[in-house]
Amino acid sequence: EDKVVQSPLSLVVHEGDTVTLNCSYEVTNFRSLLWYKQEKKAPTFLFMLTSSGIEKKSGRLSSILDKKELFSILNITATQTGDSAIYLCAHGSSNTGKLIFGQGTTLQVKP
Amino acid sequence: GAVVSQHPSWVICKSGTSVKIECRSLDFQATTMFWYRQFPKQSLMLMATSNEGSKATYEQGVEKDKFLINHASLTLSTLTVTSAHPEDSSFYICSASWTGGPVGEQFFGPGTRLTVL
Repeated sequence: EDKVVQSPLSLVVHEGDTVTLNCSYEVTNFRSLLWYKQEKKAPTFLFMLTSSGIEKKSGRLSSILDKKELFSILNITATQTGDSAIYLCAHGSSNTGKLIFGQGTTLQVKP
Repeated sequence: GAVVSQHPSWVICKSGTSVKIECRSLDFQATTMFWYRQFPKQSLMLMATSNEGSKATYEQGVEKDKFLINHASLTLSTLTVTSAHPEDSSFYICSASWTGGPVGEQFFGPGTRLTVL
């Protein structure tokens, strides 16, 4: 059974801190690893990773995939209170296109 | 582009009643739609995958007779929670993908919060 595990499950930091969120996976038919940010409603897309070692960057957020060690990290630098959210990692199956989500990491950024 | 809507955004119903939730892709044709359920402080759990014109594929542990899914057109899928009970109270989210899109790319609706009294 495909499995995606995130750590830590929750994290509290202060504005300006840098955080690293972890996502490991055990899946068959790997195709893509996705990161989402969820605030009050549905998840919003951050990154899709398919190749090892290539960093994807968007502003203060960046992510990288290691297909040999089966994990990905999401980095957020100079955190702001607006970064407070649940960050979800998901595996995209090549067969069905369905997403299997990890448990999520709840990030709280204090002023 | 790639907007998915859900209706209603929230619903409160009595135990034993049925509730229908609609998911629409507004500006693209969704060959596949997915239904998720999310309990408080938990992640999204995939309930079922539906392809237009065919029966939905349910995940293990999801009762297909309780959660009826219909994907009658390329822009509309519905989830009906039949004989709802308080334990069905949850946040239901749909997503849609289209043929030719990157594998795993899904566009999420805003979700429907169901409360069963």
